[in-house]
Amino acid sequence: NAGVTQTPKFQVLKTGQSMTLQCAQDMNHEYMSWYRQDPGMGLRLIHYSVGAGITDQGEVPNGYNVSRSTTEDFPLRLLSAAPSQTSVYFCASSDPSARGAKETQYFGPGTRLLVL
Amino acid sequence: GNSVTQMEGPVTLSEEAFLTINCTYTATGYPSLFWYVQYPGEGLQLLLKATKADDKGSNKGFEATYRKETTSFHLEKGSVQVSDSAVYFCALSALNTGNQFYFGTGTSLTVIP
Repeated sequence: NAGVTQTPKFQVLKTGQSMTLQCAQDMNHEYMSWYRQDPGMGLRLIHYSVGAGITDQGEVPNGYNVSRSTTEDFPLRLLSAAPSQTSVYFCASSDPSARGAKETQYFGPGTRLLVL
Repeated sequence: GNSVTQMEGPVTLSEEAFLTINCTYTATGYPSLFWYVQYPGEGLQLLLKATKADDKGSNKGFEATYRKETTSFHLEKGSVQVSDSAVYFCALSALNTGNQFYFGTGTSLTVIP
């Protein structure tokens, strides 16, 4: 299993540009989520999905869109990039029915985004 | 609501020193508790977890005990190594929010030789 994969690893954008951060998992997990990590603020939840066709907002959704057309993929779209969106973005997945030893959230390696 | 509060960093220790990173939580019901570790330039990976009160999670010499009476899950290690330098995140997942994860702000640990 590849686990959770993210592309690209690093991206530089100009203000106003749009882009899509890709996330895929091969563990058949129903639950997927996007976080951003900023210095001193830990991880903040942007959007999440409990299954294909279902998405919901997290703590900091403004400026981001998501869709979940398949169980495997959960792309994050920046509609019009702003310098405030400079951050490290992590995708994660989990099996919400898992309990005990199997209960955990798996993270991708992250995408570093710089918006100029 | 659900939340996690963990000790502010950064923490700097000498090799072989004792480590404690405090974590307390607020949750409805009976959450599962986790410690994740993030090494420089990498994503988060699970370090240990505990799924019910009085359980002790352990891995790589780290331990944490789920204390329901004090709503705490403090991370400890008896003798840290330089390779333990990383950022440590306390987290919980709660059934009442569809097993959504809630993370603390992270504690940066640097171990010097």
